[in-house]
Amino acid sequence: AQTVTQSQPEMSVQEAETVTLSCTYDTSESDYYLFWYKQPPSRQMILVIRQEAYKQQNATENRFSVNFQKAAKSFSLKISDSQLGDAAMYFCAYRSAETGGGADGLTFGKGTHLIIQP
Amino acid sequence: AAGVIQSPRHLIKEKRETATLKCYPIPRHDTVYWYQQGPGQDPQFLISFYEKMQSDKGSIPDRFSAQQFSDYHSELNMSSLELGDSALYFCASSVGGRAHEQYFGPGTRLTVT
Repeated sequence: AQTVTQSQPEMSVQEAETVTLSCTYDTSESDYYLFWYKQPPSRQMILVIRQEAYKQQNATENRFSVNFQKAAKSFSLKISDSQLGDAAMYFCAYRSAETGGGADGLTFGKGTHLIIQP
Repeated sequence: AAGVIQSPRHLIKEKRETATLKCYPIPRHDTVYWYQQGPGQDPQFLISFYEKMQSDKGSIPDRFSAQQFSDYHSELNMSSLELGDSALYFCASSVGGRAHEQYFGPGTRLTVT
């Protein structure tokens, strides 16, 4: 079974600064997808960014980018120019691309609570 | 843009009662997933459906069942409710296959007293 580990229960950053959230995972598969989801106080789960394991290029979405190190099984999220609206719980998630047929659920890490200091 | 719709948004039940949660996926999405998020926990995958057939099963208790209907909406039926079933239940949808992102609904908060 796959596991996802987020070693930082809480992170704090000054507004407009850059912060990096860590995520490592354990899998024996070679083909999979990785995601970062944001959960603000409203509890809505919002997709931030996605990475395909077979792509070497790191995904980027505006101020959000990832550092994907496949050999190290590491998938960190960098948030540049942090804004107050970025304050939320951030979950790293894994999804297999190898099991046959149909759809597979996401495996989440325990989350990192991001605090933005004004 | 249309999002995933879940109803009801809040539900209060007593122990041993039953509950039914509904999920309406984004239009043209054919895959539905159910997740359970306990207080202070990460979401746990329960079950998924692709083209109205059960596709994958996670940590869903035997007391729970689910199905996807011809219009692609899905219902999660929960019986013999226990205090530990109190949680936020998310439905997510995607366009079929493993490559596509899952888009989450706002969740149904179930409280069992």
